[in-house]
Amino acid sequence: DVVMTQTPVSLSVSLGNQASISCRSSQSLLHSDGNTYLSWYLQKPGQSPQLLIYLASNRFSGVSNRFSGSGSGTDFTLKISRVEPEDLGVYYCFQHTHLPPTFGSGTKLEIK
Amino acid sequence: EVQLQESGPGLVKPSQSLSLTCSVTGYSITSNYWGWIRKFPGNKMEWMGYISYSGSTSYNPSLKSRISITRDTSKNQFFLQLNSVTTEDTATYYCARYGLTTVASFDYWGQGVMVTVSS
Repeated sequence: DVVMTQTPVSLSVSLGNQASISCRSSQSLLHSDGNTYLSWYLQKPGQSPQLLIYLASNRFSGVSNRFSGSGSGTDFTLKISRVEPEDLGVYYCFQHTHLPPTFGSGTKLEIK
Repeated sequence: EVQLQESGPGLVKPSQSLSLTCSVTGYSITSNYWGWIRKFPGNKMEWMGYISYSGSTSYNPSLKSRISITRDTSKNQFFLQLNSVTTEDTATYYCARYGLTTVASFDYWGQGVMVTVSS
């Protein structure tokens, strides 16, 4: 299985500052069809996960433009600019290029 | 609006079967793919499998001998059955929809159902 390594495990950020989360995969996530099936989710306390980013860098409908995804191959980053209180929760990366699909271990964002 | 809702017993005895239902409103399960994901105590998430718009399925090999995902299109529901459960199957179980434009990612999720395996 593809191992998704997320760092850091937890992150404490002051309101208005930027947060950056790294996700590294044990194999390239570039599919033979040319797509990179890497998505990012946020699970807020007491809620289900919600989609933020798909295909590595495409923001899902309704997601704030403060969220941006980048990266290719095995190295991916989620950046959150101007962190707001509602951004707290656990962030996950998820790959669907290789079967079985696998999640990262999660990064907990706390507000300082 | 697309909505998904999981239902099923919150407590299952070891060696028994876990059966969950995902009821979908606002969208037909004969379109898209539909998945089951679980979150263990702590933060670990696991993709369990999916059923497609045509009824074909794909399962996580780690579960392959124990898992079955089926559907009832007349009720717009799909189901998860996990056999021979152990305490390690204690988790919150989510059903979710694969998006069409958001390829290979889950755009709608149920609220989740917590299942405890214990005697």
